Formats: sequence, C-alpha cells, structure tokens
Amino acid sequence: AQSVTQPDIHITVSEGASLELRCNYSYGATPYLFWYVQSPGQGLQLLLKYFSGDTLVQGIKGFEAEFKRSQSSFNLRKPSVHWSDAAEYFCAVGDNTDKLIFGTGTRLQVFP
Amino acid sequence: EAQVTQNPRYLITVTGKKLTVTCSQNMNHEYMSWYRQDPGLGLRQIYYSMNVEVTDKGDVPEGYKVSRKEKRNFPLILESPSPNQTSLYFCASSSVRRRLPGLNEKLFFGSGTQLSVL
Repeated sequence: AQSVTQPDIHITVSEGASLELRCNYSYGATPYLFWYVQSPGQGLQLLLKYFSGDTLVQGIKGFEAEFKRSQSSFNLRKPSVHWSDAAEYFCAVGDNTDKLIFGTGTRLQVFP
Repeated sequence: EAQVTQNPRYLITVTGKKLTVTCSQNMNHEYMSWYRQDPGLGLRQIYYSMNVEVTDKGDVPEGYKVSRKEKRNFPLILESPSPNQTSLYFCASSSVRRRLPGLNEKLFFGSGTQLSVL
C-alpha cells in the first residue's frame, strides 16, 4: 500500500526567502503525486500534480515540485515566499486505485 | 460557479444524537469523498463513492455511514456520534478519467464542517 511522509510539521521562513517542503512516498510503481494548500478556514486547493513525463512540475502561485524516483521524493519549492503563502501544505499520493493518501501536513509561517 | 457545498459549517451536538452533514457538488462529478482532519494526523478518508449507488470504505469508516442516491449529493451520517468523532470534516469531489487508472484528477474541496460532540 502506498504511504506519504511529510517530515516537517512546522516551518518558518522570512518573506522573500526560498522555500522547500519535503514529501517522501512509498509505492512500488510510479505514483500520482499532488501538492495541496489549505488556507485558514478553507478547504484544500490543488497547487500541482505529477503523473509522468517531465519530473519538474510547475504549479499555481509560483510553486514547483520535482519528482525524484531514486529518493522517493516530491519536494515543493518556491524561490521567494510571500506573506500570503502562510498556510498548511499537504502532499498526497495515489496509485491505480481510487484512493488518495494524504500526508500529515506542514504548516508554513512567514515572517515579514 | 463550480463548487462543493457542505452544511452546516459548524455543529455542536451531544453523544448519541444522530446527525447528517450534507455535501453537494454542481460539477457533475462521478467521484465524491469524505475526509476528517485532525491535528498531527492530516486528512484521513472516511468513505468515498465512484458513482450513484456505489460507495466504499476509506481508512476510518467506523461510526459513519454515507449514501449516494443522486450524483450531486453525498451526505455523511453519524448514527450515534461519540466525542472521538469531534473533528473537521471535508467533502471533496472529482471527475474521473478512465484512460488512466486511479484517481488522477484534482479534488475540489468544500469549506469544511467543524463538528464537536460533547
């Protein structure tokens, strides 16, 4: 069965700094990989997804993620963080079934 | 506007009093799902449905029921709520693209229902 780990519970960065949120998955074949963002009081919104092809995926709001099969990772990056990026971020992994498994989330705090 | 609508947004109830949280989507999506979100545990799937009259258990189905009599609605039923079901609940829906197996389209989420069971 697939699983996903987000090792960082809470990350704090200064506005304008670069960001990397870690995500590791466990699955035998190539999984479907997603990053979602949850703003306070809101549901989750898709940032980007990976199925196949180019391992560097561009998403909305200036985010990107890179699929690294050798490391079983799908880390989310942004070169310059804005205060409005403060939120909780969830990595999710799916396979050839109809289920998505979510990680436990990483809460991002941005200082001015 | 494409959306997933959950009601109520907040609910406080007592142990054992049956309740229903409604979920409706206007995108003609085949797939609908319920999640609960708890601190440190992320989102865990309760039940999901691939289409009308087709429902399956997720990872934490105990104490919950669902039904899918119409494509747009997917209510979550707690027949006898208990305090350990105090949580933030999200409904989500998605289209299904069968050229690729599995759930590979994005989920659209409702705004959540904060449930407290006393």
